[in-house]
This record gives sequence, structure tokens and C-alpha cells, in this order.
Amino acid sequence: SQTIHQWPATLVQPVGSPLSLECTVEGTSNPNLYWYRQAAGRGLQLLFYSVGIGQISSEVPQNLSASRPQDRQFILSSKKLLLSDSGFYLCAWSTKQGTLPEQYFGPGTRLTVT
Amino acid sequence: LAKTTQPISMDSYEGQEVNITCSHNNIATNDYITWYQQFPSQGPRFIIQGYKTKVTNEVASLFIPADRKSSTLSLPRVSLSDTAVYYCLVGGVNTGGFKTIFGAGTRLFVKA
Repeated sequence: SQTIHQWPATLVQPVGSPLSLECTVEGTSNPNLYWYRQAAGRGLQLLFYSVGIGQISSEVPQNLSASRPQDRQFILSSKKLLLSDSGFYLCAWSTKQGTLPEQYFGPGTRLTVT
Repeated sequence: LAKTTQPISMDSYEGQEVNITCSHNNIATNDYITWYQQFPSQGPRFIIQGYKTKVTNEVASLFIPADRKSSTLSLPRVSLSDTAVYYCLVGGVNTGGFKTIFGAGTRLFVKA
């Protein structure tokens, strides 16, 4: 069966510090991968998605970046965090099959920028 | 991508049927409609997907009228554990299929 891991689960970082969140998927190959952010009490905002190694599409211009160094690894980074970067970060994967493939979400990372 | 509109919140009581409607006036011919459920501090979870008419699974039904400009998620006999946020998504092959936008969702609160 497929599983998706995210770490860390929680993170408190000062403004201006760097960020690295990691997501890995097991039990599948060549998945689509996604990073979302959810502010408190709000919906999910798609930040990045990737259809393959090194292929990243950005949905929202911001101080965040994403990389996919391996087929089942997706990393979200920032060189300098802003207060507005606080939120719940979710990684998800899907197959490439079907018209609108189901997305499977990880447990999330709650980031607080102070 | 088709924009979706849902009620912000709904209240219900245990044992009742709950219907949540989503409007998607600009749905494209190839678009599908998907509903997700999210509990606090968890990622969303797939509930049901459909293209037209009616789809039913073990947890919900999805009703889509002929013009496909709206859809209704029906939850039979809700329980307290169905308190969650429900998201409607619309997308398809002409938008890359894998690229989706979650709206603000509908917050359902089930009371005892």
C-alpha cells in the first residue's frame, strides 16, 4: 500500500530564517506531487505541483520554492521566512491516471513564524 | 479552472440527511467533480467523484444535474463524526487533470 510522510510535524521558526520541509511517498512510482498551504480557518492554497523529477510548476509567486530531487521526494524551501508564511503545509500525491485523479494527503506540518 | 461556490457553513443534527450544494457555472466539457472531507489538523480525504447524473458509494451520493453547473453532495444519516469541512473541486484533462483548486469549503457542524 502507498504511504506519504511529512516532517517535521510542527515547526517554530523566527522571521528571516530558512525553511526546509520534506515529503516522501512510498509504494508508488512516478506520482504527481503537490504542496498546499492552509492558513488558519481557510481553504487550501496550491503552492507547487510536480509531474516528475526536476519538473516544478509554481501556482503562487512568493518567497517559497520547491524541488523534486528524486521520484518520490518533494521538498519545500524558503531562504527567509515571513510572518505570512505561517500555516499548515500539506503534501499530497496522485497517480497520473484518470481525468481528475484522487489526491492523497500527508499528515501535514504546522509552521509558526515568530 | 472552473470556480466553485459553496455555502460557508451548515448545521445539522445526528441522524439527518445533509445536502451540500456547489455551484460551478463555468464547468468545462471534460471536467469532473470531486468532493473531499477535512478534519481539523488533517489533510483532506477523498469522498466521491462524478461526471453526470448520480454516483453513490458507501459514504455519500453525488447528484449532478444535466447542465452540470452545480452538484450536490448528500450525506445520509450524519453522525457527530461527520463534523468537518467539505470541499468541492472541479477539473479535468483540459486543465492538466492534476492541477486542482480547493475553495474555502463548507463547514458542517453536526449536533447531538
